[in-house]
Amino acid sequence: QVQLVQSGAEVKKPGSSVKVSCKASGGTFSSYAISWVRQAPGQGLEWMGGIIPISGTANYAQKFQGRVTITADESTSTAYMELSSLRSEDTAVYYCARGYRYCSGGGCYPYFDNWGQGTLVTVSS
Amino acid sequence: DIQMTQSPSSLSASVGDRVTITCRASQSISIFLNWYQQKPGKAPKLLIYAASSLQSGVPSRFSGSGSGTDFTLTISSLQPEDFATYYCQQSYSTLGYTFGQGTKLEIK
Repeated sequence: QVQLVQSGAEVKKPGSSVKVSCKASGGTFSSYAISWVRQAPGQGLEWMGGIIPISGTANYAQKFQGRVTITADESTSTAYMELSSLRSEDTAVYYCARGYRYCSGGGCYPYFDNWGQGTLVTVSS
Repeated sequence: DIQMTQSPSSLSASVGDRVTITCRASQSISIFLNWYQQKPGKAPKLLIYAASSLQSGVPSRFSGSGSGTDFTLTISSLQPEDFATYYCQQSYSTLGYTFGQGTKLEIK
């Protein structure tokens, strides 16, 4: 069973950057996508982007283009999400999630089957 | 971006009730639709993938249906541990795996 363990809570100043890590254990890291999803206090889930470690190819939600960078280190089975130019609206819990695919009838259907425990990032002056 | 709209936004029900939550996509997404359950302070948990496939370990009282733009999550007989917030998610567009706004299921 794959387990994703994230780094601890962060407090950041507006305008700074934050880098959150997500270490995988108990499964094959490189072949599956890792996505990042955030949740502002009392709000819903928002997909930010993802990466397939074996290829290093990342894609991002348009809302975060230019501000977020997702990387992966296969040697340590760790994915990272860095968000820059932080503002108060970025205060949220950030989750990593493993992307798996169900393939049937010629189609493959992605979903997130394992999640990290979440990392609270607080942006405050 | 594909927009996902859930209804209702909140719902009160009793233990033993049958509950249905609806999710509508702004364009056809075939069966690229997943459902998650989230409890306060916890990460989301996968319930249903590909619109109707039950994730391993999830009780059979949960079921999903639909294709195209309209989908439903049904809980056949509510249990105390089912009171939570439920989210649908489309995985059709790699430009953004958008979520619905959530449905909070509360005890009546």
